Amino acid sequence: GIQVEQSPPDLILQEGANSTLRCNFSDSVNNLQWFHQNPWGQLINLFYIPSGTKQNGRLSATTVATERYSLLYISSSQTTDSGVYFCAVRRYGGSQGNLIFGKGTKLSVKP
Amino acid sequence: DADVTQTPRNRITKTGKRIMLECSQTKGHDRMYWYRQDPGLGLRLIYYSFDVKDINKGEISDGYSVSRQAQAKFSLSLESAIPNQTALYFCATSPGGSNQPQHFGDGTRLSIL
Repeated sequence: GIQVEQSPPDLILQEGANSTLRCNFSDSVNNLQWFHQNPWGQLINLFYIPSGTKQNGRLSATTVATERYSLLYISSSQTTDSGVYFCAVRRYGGSQGNLIFGKGTKLSVKP
Repeated sequence: DADVTQTPRNRITKTGKRIMLECSQTKGHDRMYWYRQDPGLGLRLIYYSFDVKDINKGEISDGYSVSRQAQAKFSLSLESAIPNQTALYFCATSPGGSNQPQHFGDGTRLSIL
């Protein structure tokens, strides 16, 4: 099946710093989503981005589908950005329709 | 996503008990999913349903069953719970079509003693 690898696994930032999270995937996809899992366990939809670039406030994401990777940028980080960031993909042509999740990047933002 | 509601939010129970987790949605989506998350890992698919009459097993369906009572309702049952089913469970929905985003509920934290 398709493999999804996220890096780095852990990241510690000082408040105000910028960061880039990476997601590599091993096959063609027709769906890619970025999620933020907060300390209460809730999954927050950040981006639906199978290709191209999107921005939402301090967050932006870019997916280069032909090279099989996606990047999530966090600028001017805040303590509320702490949590785990997941990338999830659906393989192009997959019959189940489910998302395959990476193991996540755990982000800690220190005041 | 407030349009996807999971109940209960937390549940502690004993080995051997039957448990039902419920999911309802107001998004009008045809497709519904149940995922499981274990500590330090991403989510894995348990069951999925593309419409009321279509239910399919996912990657880790052993020990679970589901019921799609209506377009808006999809329930997950553990017939005889065991401790290694302790996990965070998520319901998700999506419109029909292969390239639509999925929308997740807030999760149910299940502990089996």
